[in-house]
This record gives sequence, structure tokens and C-alpha cells, in this order.
Amino acid sequence: SQQGEEDPQALSIQEGENATMNCSYKTSINNLQWYRQNSGRGLVHLILIRSNEREKHSGRLRVTLDTSKKSSSLLITASRAADTASYFCATAGGNAGGTSYGKLTFGQGTILTVHP
Amino acid sequence: NAGVTQTPKFRVLKTGQSMTLLCAQDMNHEYMYWYRQDPGMGLRLIHYSVGEGTTAKGEVPDGYNVSRLKKQNFLLGLESAAPSQTSVYFCASRMAGGTGYTFGSGTRLTVV
Repeated sequence: SQQGEEDPQALSIQEGENATMNCSYKTSINNLQWYRQNSGRGLVHLILIRSNEREKHSGRLRVTLDTSKKSSSLLITASRAADTASYFCATAGGNAGGTSYGKLTFGQGTILTVHP
Repeated sequence: NAGVTQTPKFRVLKTGQSMTLLCAQDMNHEYMYWYRQDPGMGLRLIHYSVGEGTTAKGEVPDGYNVSRLKKQNFLLGLESAAPSQTSVYFCASRMAGGTGYTFGSGTRLTVV
């Protein structure tokens, strides 16, 4: 079963605009990660936010985490055509004993299209 | 630094045939994972390994076997391929501690 659910499923914007993708999950987590996948390629790790963090930045990326609502958002500012890709959130379980071994559960992804 | 390398990149199998997918990483990562990606399903964990000589089942392990005889290699085997195993297979690895995964570029497998 999928832990993370992304919203929207698809997003189409113009270059220069901001893109916001949301992720909801069901169980407690240790951390939440966002990945990008270009068509026909592997996933690339973008950013990791731990359960005790509320916001994190990396270049044009901003991630927020609200553990009370079990949700996260990824904001890409000043988008570029090269940002066109699928974006996945993935959660690592909150097992205190560490036996989750960092296994990630992925959502179905948001397809982002940035038009030049 | 090659990262995570998967071979082969493409393969077509007939139902009932067997094959092994190879994943190799050169980053000295402890943990390795095999996922499959199907349209509309996201990525689902097949098997994983927390170190040399250890393997464990993930979410969808049936029909697959794995081995990790060397730290840098994680093999995924299909003993008797079925059309339901048509998918894109991704290997990933990571260091111990809460870090992101490094993914391979995938193997596109078609079972006819």
C-alpha cells in the first residue's frame, strides 16, 4: 500500500512561475524525502526533512513538514523548463527501534510540466 | 564515481524463463534496495539488504529472490518469469543513518 499520496497528480505551469506539490501520509515517520524523476531515468534525491524539522531549503526548493497534519509540501520557485519531471515524496518509517532500516514508501508522484 | 549501476538496461523474457538483474554500487553503502515501478503504482519495495550476507522481504517479494554475497553487489533473480513481472526495476543504495537513496538508472523488463 502507498504511504504517501501526492496532490495534484499533474501540474502544468509557465516558466518563471512557482510550483507547489503536496504530499500526505498515514503513519508516523522518521523523515520524509522528495525525489525527481526525468522521463525514462532513475530517481534523484532532492531533499530530506526529519520529523523534528518544519521547513528546509535547498536552492530553489523549499520543503515544509507538518507532522500534526501528516503532510508535506514541495515548492519550486522560479521554475524552468528543465524542472519538467515527475516528483515523488517518500516516507521513512518512525520505528523507534530502527528496524525499519530506512525503507522508503513512495507516493504515486506529481507530473510537473514547465512550459518555456 | 559511477554510483549505482544496473545491468542489463533492457530485457525481454518469455514466460517461464529465468534471469538475474545485477546492481553494483561503488560508494561503500551498507543498505541496498530493489524496487519495481509500474504505471499509476509508484515504486514498491521488493527486497532489501542491510549488509553483506543479509536480505529481507519488502512489500512485493513473491516471485523474486535476492542475494548479497558482496557488499557492493545486490542481485535480483526471477526464477520463472510471469507477465505480471513486466515492469521497470530500480536498485538503490544508501549509507547508514537517515540519508537519501542513490538510484540506478533502471532495468526495463518485458515478459511475454
